[in-house]
Amino acid sequence: EVQLVESGGGLVKPGGSLRLSCAASGFTFSSYSMNWVRQAPGKGLEWVSSISSSSSYIYYADSVKGRFTISRDNAKNSLYLQMNSLRAEDTAVYYCARDLIVEGFDPWGQGTLVTVSS
Amino acid sequence: AIQMTQSPSSLSASVGDRVTITCRASQGIRNDLGWYQQKPGKAPKLLIYAASSLQSGVPSRFSGSGSGTDFTLTISSLQPEDFATYYCLQDYNYPRTFGQGTKLEIK
Repeated sequence: EVQLVESGGGLVKPGGSLRLSCAASGFTFSSYSMNWVRQAPGKGLEWVSSISSSSSYIYYADSVKGRFTISRDNAKNSLYLQMNSLRAEDTAVYYCARDLIVEGFDPWGQGTLVTVSS
Repeated sequence: AIQMTQSPSSLSASVGDRVTITCRASQGIRNDLGWYQQKPGKAPKLLIYAASSLQSGVPSRFSGSGSGTDFTLTISSLQPEDFATYYCLQDYNYPRTFGQGTKLEIK
């Protein structure tokens, strides 16, 4: 079964840091681009970042550029999101999703909640 | 960045109704568009990719159409499990952008 499982969310103070992880199983992780997508409480979906299969191409939303860093370890079948200088507006459920390029994002993980509050 | 404008933002319908949701891109995106369904407390689920291709396992009452800037998601006969929020997503270029969502509620 193709599966993605996020971890690492929690409560952090403004200005703090957090590292999210996404563990992949059931497919050849090293062959796929991956994404992070977030959803603030009661709001819509917002794409955050993408990384290509070999980490050669990396993209960020303007809202997180310079503060967040996406990375992956293909040997460990894992995707990461290092989040620094966190703000209240970064509070959201963060999902990882496999990128099938023009065939959409599928599957998605169950999400991990990040709360930025003093 | 490409803006995706989805309409309506909410919709009330009954079981058995035919429903159409629209997504408009601020510039042409060929057919590089997907539709996602999200139920409360759950992750989004891919329904349609490349504007009109049905994802494996998705019921055939879901269909998509469009190309360029105008796209539609149609549910031919609403079932109780279809009441959810629907999003479009352009994967033509970066940054990827979602529509603001359409909440489909029971009338």
